[in-house]
Amino acid sequence: SQELEQSPQSLIVQEGKNLTINCTSSKTLYGLYWYKQKYGEGLIFLMMLQKGGEEKSHEKITAKLDEKKQQSSLHITASQPSHAGIYLCGADMGGTSYGKLTFGQGTILTVHP
Amino acid sequence: EAGVAQSPRYKIIEKRQSVAFWCNPISGHATLYWYQQILGQGPKLLIQFQNNGVVDDSQLPKDRFSAERLKGVDSTLKIQPAKLEDSAVYLCASSLVDRGYGYTFGSGTRLTVV
Repeated sequence: SQELEQSPQSLIVQEGKNLTINCTSSKTLYGLYWYKQKYGEGLIFLMMLQKGGEEKSHEKITAKLDEKKQQSSLHITASQPSHAGIYLCGADMGGTSYGKLTFGQGTILTVHP
Repeated sequence: EAGVAQSPRYKIIEKRQSVAFWCNPISGHATLYWYQQILGQGPKLLIQFQNNGVVDDSQLPKDRFSAERLKGVDSTLKIQPAKLEDSAVYLCASSLVDRGYGYTFGSGTRLTVV
């Protein structure tokens, strides 16, 4: 099973709609990173969360890390076609995984104009 | 600040051929990572360097994959011989020693093995 589970695996929304992507771990996360990717290309950094309860926003994207630091959500308000892509959460799981990222399987977002 | 540079962007080879990818990290970033991302999945760590030493290569298929980071700066990842299942995007990333400074990824190399 995946150490980091993302849901949903894919999402199709109409332009202007709000949406949420979740990232869940069975372990405490020492750092949670959200990236966006276009198919077959590199990862674009969106946000990093480290503290329980932390919330960050950039333009229409908001990310939160829950108090227990085991789940994060990415929320997009009033989606636009430019938001389409693959969203990946990556986490520093600590322990023997210290200092490296483990990734979820990604969420494919399609935004219809 | 220049980002992480990778080349080539795309490569198509036949199975059993060899291929090499190059990565130049952000200046001053001591830690360098190579990830393999099979399309439809999340990236998987292949190898992690700290300066020019290997920190973790437990997921690197050492019978066919090799990587080096000479002088603690640029790195190359080689596959010899390639198999069909090696078709993937190969991502290079770098970070400062202390976590919390983030990980910066390059644009990736998309490898197709036919």
